[in-house]
Amino acid sequence: EVQLKESGPGLVQPSQTLSLTCTVSGFSLTDYSVHWVRQPPGKGLEWMGVMWSGGSTAYNSALKSRLSISRDTSKSQVFLKMNSLQTEDTAIYYCTRDTFDYWGQGVMVTVSS
Amino acid sequence: DIVLTQAPLSVSVTPGESASISCRSSKSLLSSKGITSLYWYLQRPGKSPQLLIYQMSNLASGVPDRFSSSGSETDFTLKISKVETEDVGVYYCGHRLEYPYTFGAGTKLELK
Repeated sequence: EVQLKESGPGLVQPSQTLSLTCTVSGFSLTDYSVHWVRQPPGKGLEWMGVMWSGGSTAYNSALKSRLSISRDTSKSQVFLKMNSLQTEDTAIYYCTRDTFDYWGQGVMVTVSS
Repeated sequence: DIVLTQAPLSVSVTPGESASISCRSSKSLLSSKGITSLYWYLQRPGKSPQLLIYQMSNLASGVPDRFSSSGSETDFTLKISKVETEDVGVYYCGHRLEYPYTFGAGTKLELK
Protein backbone atom coordinates (compact mmCIF):
# COMPACT_ATOMS: atom_id res chain seq x y z
CA GLU A 1 0.00 0.00 0.00
CA VAL A 2 1.36 3.41 -0.98
CA GLN A 3 1.66 5.82 1.95
CA LEU A 4 3.31 9.15 2.59
CA LYS A 5 3.58 10.76 6.01
CA GLU A 6 4.88 14.19 6.88
CA SER A 7 6.50 14.93 10.21
CA GLY A 8 8.05 17.96 11.79
CA PRO A 9 7.56 20.71 14.36
CA GLY A 10 4.16 22.30 14.63
CA LEU A 11 5.55 25.65 15.72
CA VAL A 12 8.50 27.56 14.34
CA GLN A 13 9.71 30.98 15.41
CA PRO A 14 10.00 33.79 12.86
CA SER A 15 13.35 33.91 11.06
CA GLN A 16 14.08 30.30 12.00
CA THR A 17 14.44 27.27 9.74
CA LEU A 18 11.71 24.74 9.06
CA SER A 19 12.69 21.08 8.70
CA LEU A 20 10.14 18.54 7.55
CA THR A 21 10.40 14.85 6.71
CA CYS A 22 8.23 12.87 4.33
CA THR A 23 8.47 9.15 5.01
CA VAL A 24 7.13 6.97 2.22
CA SER A 25 6.20 3.31 1.95
CA GLY A 26 4.86 1.08 -0.78
CA PHE A 27 7.15 2.51 -3.44
CA SER A 28 10.76 3.43 -4.02
CA LEU A 29 12.11 6.96 -4.17
CA THR A 30 14.30 5.85 -7.06
CA ASP A 31 11.19 5.03 -9.09
CA TYR A 32 8.90 7.95 -8.24
CA SER A 33 9.29 11.64 -7.59
CA VAL A 34 8.05 13.33 -4.42
CA HIS A 35 6.72 16.87 -4.41
CA TRP A 36 6.03 19.32 -1.61
CA VAL A 37 2.84 21.39 -1.72
CA ARG A 38 1.63 23.79 0.95
CA GLN A 39 -1.71 25.37 1.80
CA PRO A 40 -2.13 28.42 4.06
CA PRO A 41 -5.20 28.19 6.30
CA GLY A 42 -8.37 28.71 4.25
CA LYS A 43 -6.41 29.30 1.05
CA GLY A 44 -5.31 27.45 -2.06
CA LEU A 45 -2.46 25.14 -2.99
CA GLU A 46 1.11 26.20 -3.72
CA TRP A 47 3.66 23.89 -5.33
CA MET A 48 6.99 24.24 -3.57
CA GLY A 49 9.35 21.85 -5.26
CA VAL A 50 10.23 18.30 -6.21
CA MET A 51 12.79 15.58 -5.63
CA TRP A 52 12.90 13.63 -8.88
CA SER A 53 13.50 9.88 -8.90
CA GLY A 54 16.95 10.40 -10.37
CA GLY A 55 17.97 12.64 -7.49
CA SER A 56 17.67 16.05 -9.10
CA THR A 57 15.52 18.80 -7.66
CA ALA A 58 13.44 21.74 -8.88
CA TYR A 59 11.99 24.58 -6.88
CA ASN A 60 9.32 27.22 -7.13
CA SER A 61 11.22 30.35 -8.03
CA ALA A 62 9.24 32.28 -5.40
CA LEU A 63 10.84 30.10 -2.71
CA LYS A 64 14.06 28.99 -4.34
CA SER A 65 16.40 31.18 -2.30
CA ARG A 66 15.04 29.76 0.97
CA LEU A 67 14.20 26.18 0.07
CA SER A 68 16.15 22.94 -0.08
CA ILE A 69 14.88 19.42 -0.77
CA SER A 70 16.98 16.32 -0.20
CA ARG A 71 16.47 12.62 0.40
CA ASP A 72 17.75 9.45 2.01
CA THR A 73 16.71 6.58 -0.23
CA SER A 74 17.83 3.97 2.30
CA LYS A 75 15.31 5.33 4.77
CA SER A 76 12.64 6.17 2.15
CA GLN A 77 12.63 9.75 3.34
CA VAL A 78 12.48 13.11 1.58
CA PHE A 79 13.44 16.23 3.50
CA LEU A 80 12.34 19.84 3.16
CA LYS A 81 14.27 22.70 4.68
CA MET A 82 13.19 26.29 4.39
CA ASN A 83 14.92 29.16 6.13
CA SER A 84 13.98 32.68 7.15
CA LEU A 85 10.42 31.71 7.99
CA GLN A 86 7.78 34.41 8.30
CA THR A 87 4.17 34.38 9.46
CA GLU A 88 3.00 34.01 5.86
CA ASP A 89 4.71 30.60 5.78
CA THR A 90 2.09 29.31 8.21
CA ALA A 91 0.42 26.49 6.31
CA ILE A 92 -0.34 22.82 6.02
CA TYR A 93 2.62 21.20 4.28
CA TYR A 94 1.95 18.12 2.16
CA CYS A 95 4.19 15.70 0.37
CA THR A 96 2.73 13.97 -2.66
CA ARG A 97 3.90 11.36 -5.10
CA ASP A 98 4.72 11.82 -8.77
CA THR A 99 1.47 12.78 -10.53
CA PHE A 100 -0.03 13.80 -7.18
CA ASP A 101 -1.87 10.47 -7.11
CA TYR A 102 -1.05 9.88 -3.45
CA TRP A 103 -0.81 12.51 -0.72
CA GLY A 104 0.27 12.55 2.87
CA GLN A 105 -2.10 13.71 5.57
CA GLY A 106 -0.25 17.00 5.83
CA VAL A 107 1.46 18.68 8.77
CA MET A 108 0.34 22.03 10.10
CA VAL A 109 3.20 24.45 10.66
CA THR A 110 2.61 27.70 12.51
CA VAL A 111 5.17 30.47 12.40
CA SER A 112 4.84 32.51 15.55
CA SER A 113 6.88 33.83 18.43
CA ASP B 1 4.10 31.80 -14.13
CA ILE B 2 1.03 30.22 -15.70
CA VAL B 3 -2.16 31.57 -14.15
CA LEU B 4 -5.18 29.30 -13.89
CA THR B 5 -8.50 31.06 -13.41
CA GLN B 6 -11.41 29.01 -12.11
CA ALA B 7 -15.09 29.85 -12.28
CA PRO B 8 -17.33 30.01 -10.45
CA LEU B 9 -15.74 30.48 -7.02
CA SER B 10 -18.59 28.48 -5.55
CA VAL B 11 -21.45 26.40 -6.82
CA SER B 12 -24.53 25.04 -5.05
CA VAL B 13 -26.01 21.89 -6.53
CA THR B 14 -29.06 19.78 -5.81
CA PRO B 15 -28.09 16.14 -5.25
CA GLY B 16 -28.63 14.18 -8.45
CA GLU B 17 -28.13 17.24 -10.65
CA SER B 18 -25.02 18.10 -12.65
CA ALA B 19 -22.31 20.69 -12.03
CA SER B 20 -19.66 22.21 -14.24
CA ILE B 21 -16.47 24.02 -13.26
CA SER B 22 -14.35 26.05 -15.63
CA CYS B 23 -10.58 26.51 -15.64
CA ARG B 24 -8.87 28.93 -17.99
CA SER B 25 -5.11 29.01 -18.49
CA SER B 26 -3.00 32.05 -19.33
CA LYS B 27 -0.93 29.87 -21.64
CA SER B 28 -1.50 26.82 -23.80
CA LEU B 29 -1.09 23.65 -21.71
CA LEU B 30 -0.37 21.49 -24.74
CA SER B 31 3.11 20.06 -24.36
CA SER B 32 5.59 19.31 -27.11
CA LYS B 33 4.75 15.65 -26.57
CA GLY B 34 1.13 16.28 -27.48
CA ILE B 35 -0.09 15.91 -23.87
CA THR B 36 -2.38 18.51 -22.34
CA SER B 37 -0.98 19.10 -18.88
CA LEU B 38 -4.18 19.87 -17.00
CA TYR B 39 -5.21 18.12 -13.82
CA TRP B 40 -8.22 18.26 -11.52
CA TYR B 41 -8.22 17.64 -7.78
CA LEU B 42 -10.89 17.46 -5.08
CA GLN B 43 -10.18 18.44 -1.51
CA ARG B 44 -12.91 17.28 0.80
CA PRO B 45 -13.34 19.21 4.06
CA GLY B 46 -10.43 18.56 6.40
CA LYS B 47 -8.75 16.14 3.99
CA SER B 48 -5.77 16.08 1.66
CA PRO B 49 -6.39 16.78 -2.04
CA GLN B 50 -7.29 13.84 -4.22
CA LEU B 51 -6.42 13.44 -7.91
CA LEU B 52 -9.53 13.18 -10.08
CA ILE B 53 -8.38 13.77 -13.66
CA TYR B 54 -4.93 13.71 -15.26
CA GLN B 55 -3.78 14.98 -18.65
CA MET B 56 -7.06 16.83 -19.16
CA SER B 57 -9.42 13.93 -19.69
CA ASN B 58 -8.16 10.75 -18.03
CA LEU B 59 -9.95 9.49 -14.95
CA ALA B 60 -7.64 8.68 -12.04
CA SER B 61 -7.82 5.26 -10.45
CA GLY B 62 -10.89 4.71 -8.30
CA VAL B 63 -12.65 7.89 -9.41
CA PRO B 64 -16.27 7.30 -10.44
CA ASP B 65 -17.19 7.92 -14.06
CA ARG B 66 -19.63 10.61 -12.96
CA PHE B 67 -16.57 12.84 -13.32
CA SER B 68 -15.40 13.92 -16.76
CA SER B 69 -13.20 16.63 -18.18
CA SER B 70 -12.65 18.18 -21.56
CA GLY B 71 -11.20 21.26 -23.13
CA SER B 72 -8.91 22.92 -25.57
CA GLU B 73 -5.35 24.15 -25.06
CA THR B 74 -6.40 26.90 -22.66
CA ASP B 75 -10.00 26.36 -21.63
CA PHE B 76 -11.14 23.37 -19.63
CA THR B 77 -14.31 22.10 -17.99
CA LEU B 78 -14.84 19.58 -15.24
CA LYS B 79 -18.30 18.07 -15.27
CA ILE B 80 -19.83 16.17 -12.40
CA SER B 81 -23.00 14.34 -13.27
CA LYS B 82 -25.51 13.17 -10.66
CA VAL B 83 -23.80 15.00 -7.79
CA GLU B 84 -23.61 13.05 -4.54
CA THR B 85 -22.94 14.02 -0.94
CA GLU B 86 -19.34 12.76 -1.18
CA ASP B 87 -18.62 15.29 -3.98
CA VAL B 88 -18.74 18.22 -1.54
CA GLY B 89 -15.45 20.07 -1.24
CA VAL B 90 -13.12 22.37 -3.14
CA TYR B 91 -12.11 21.55 -6.68
CA TYR B 92 -8.75 22.72 -8.00
CA CYS B 93 -7.33 22.64 -11.47
CA GLY B 94 -3.56 22.49 -11.82
CA HIS B 95 -0.90 22.19 -14.49
CA ARG B 96 2.46 20.47 -14.78
CA LEU B 97 3.65 21.98 -18.03
CA GLU B 98 6.55 23.99 -16.65
CA TYR B 99 7.98 25.25 -13.37
CA PRO B 100 6.45 26.40 -11.22
CA TYR B 101 3.49 24.08 -11.28
CA THR B 102 0.49 26.18 -10.30
CA PHE B 103 -3.11 25.67 -9.25
CA GLY B 104 -6.34 27.56 -9.69
CA ALA B 105 -7.84 29.29 -6.67
CA GLY B 106 -10.43 26.58 -6.24
CA THR B 107 -14.19 26.18 -6.65
CA LYS B 108 -16.25 25.24 -3.63
CA LEU B 109 -19.07 22.82 -4.32
CA GLU B 110 -21.86 22.56 -1.79
CA LEU B 111 -25.24 20.92 -1.79
CA LYS B 112 -28.57 22.73 -1.79
